[in-house]
Amino acid sequence: AQKITQTQPGMFVQEKEAVTLDCTYDTSDPSYGLFWYKQPSSGEMIFLIYQGSYDQQNATEGRYSLNFQKARKSANLVISASQLGDSAMYFCAMREGGTGNQFYFGTGTSLTVIP
Amino acid sequence: NAGVTQTPKFQVLKTGQSMTLQCAQDMNHEYMSWYRQDPGMGLRLIHYSVGAGITDQGEVPNGYNVSRSTTEDFPLRLLSAAPSQTSVYFCASSYRGGTYEQYFGPGTRLTVT
Repeated sequence: AQKITQTQPGMFVQEKEAVTLDCTYDTSDPSYGLFWYKQPSSGEMIFLIYQGSYDQQNATEGRYSLNFQKARKSANLVISASQLGDSAMYFCAMREGGTGNQFYFGTGTSLTVIP
Repeated sequence: NAGVTQTPKFQVLKTGQSMTLQCAQDMNHEYMSWYRQDPGMGLRLIHYSVGAGITDQGEVPNGYNVSRSTTEDFPLRLLSAAPSQTSVYFCASSYRGGTYEQYFGPGTRLTVT
């Protein structure tokens, strides 16, 4: 089974609107971390936001927020007030607890912001 | 701080050739990893290390070797390049603890002909 599933290969959003990028995960480990990364066309991986499995509140970082629904195993990224510079690939990732360092990435969602 | 550096940025190999992709970090991170990124497949873990002298296999280790003799460096060796190894390779590092957030290098684009 896929550890991370991103079901939206491509998304479009109007500038200044909000958009939600979906991510579901699969783990039986009670301790895990969820991450979102942005990859613009230049290719670098940019960390956006983190949510720990024991965090009670949804994570927020500026215009980014993570809608964490633990029972549904979903960790959707919400981008508010979209900007043209938000056009990029977005990857959801998970690290399971323990002493290892195995990260699992989804296949990504390509977001295009329309002026 | 240079962060995570990777060399070379681009490389073209012929089938059967060997080469080493270099990765270095100056943040004193214990954890380092190598990923490959292929279209439509996201990033897949090749090998990772939790400290100097300790390495382990990830999801797609075949055809690659790693070693970690120092905290700073984590080279990835292609033993006998194959066209299936054409990909973009990313190195990443993180602290042991906290969020384990990974810091990525700029990537190496490898083409095997």
